[in-house]
Amino acid sequence: DTGVSQDPRHKITKRGQNVTFRCDPISEHNRLYWYRQTLGQGPEFLTYFQNEAQLEKSRLLSDRFSAERPKGSFSTLEIQRTEQGDSAMYLCASSLTGSNQPQHFGDGTRLSIL
Amino acid sequence: GESVGLHLPTLSVQEGDNSIINCAYSNSASDYFIWYKQESGKGPQFIIDIRSNMDKRQGQRVTVLLNKTVKHLSLQIAATQPGDSAVYFCAEKDNAGGTSYGKLTFGQGTILTVHP
Repeated sequence: DTGVSQDPRHKITKRGQNVTFRCDPISEHNRLYWYRQTLGQGPEFLTYFQNEAQLEKSRLLSDRFSAERPKGSFSTLEIQRTEQGDSAMYLCASSLTGSNQPQHFGDGTRLSIL
Repeated sequence: GESVGLHLPTLSVQEGDNSIINCAYSNSASDYFIWYKQESGKGPQFIIDIRSNMDKRQGQRVTVLLNKTVKHLSLQIAATQPGDSAVYFCAEKDNAGGTSYGKLTFGQGTILTVHP
């Protein structure tokens, strides 16, 4: 299967710890997106990359959050000093370049803060 | 608490019936729309998309209708099957402003339950 891959699928950590998630997009897709989804809600946009350039960041992305895509392929999302409110599903999506290209999602990383 | 946000609109249908899921979008400048299906524990799965220069688009067993006048989107599923049971989200994108090429804005979601 050559869909979007996310690792780990689940992460449980204590408040105050740092966590890092990885996303591998569909290979020919040069756009990569991060979203956050809480129970009963639709995904909320966090940030996106065109190749290695981070082109947009949501106000939801506090200074404790950082995302990288160093070689324009896989991406990492790091959360420092985690808080209980960070508990959510973190979803990655990818797409081809173009204003009307559908974004294809991975199955997410579920983060639980104890 | 955890119960807030779980009160999604729900639609229950019998297997073989047609289903219609509705979505009201908020941004009159949105010009691209997508329907996603999300099963428990999985990410949203692309179903069908439509651009604002169209008012109808058909796929396999699915049809999306767009009414820009009232900012309304619907997804019709023909001959609904138990495997169609999931949460369905509409999403919109505003390409015209030039400041947000990436962002999809998702609606609330509708829970579809198909009874055998």
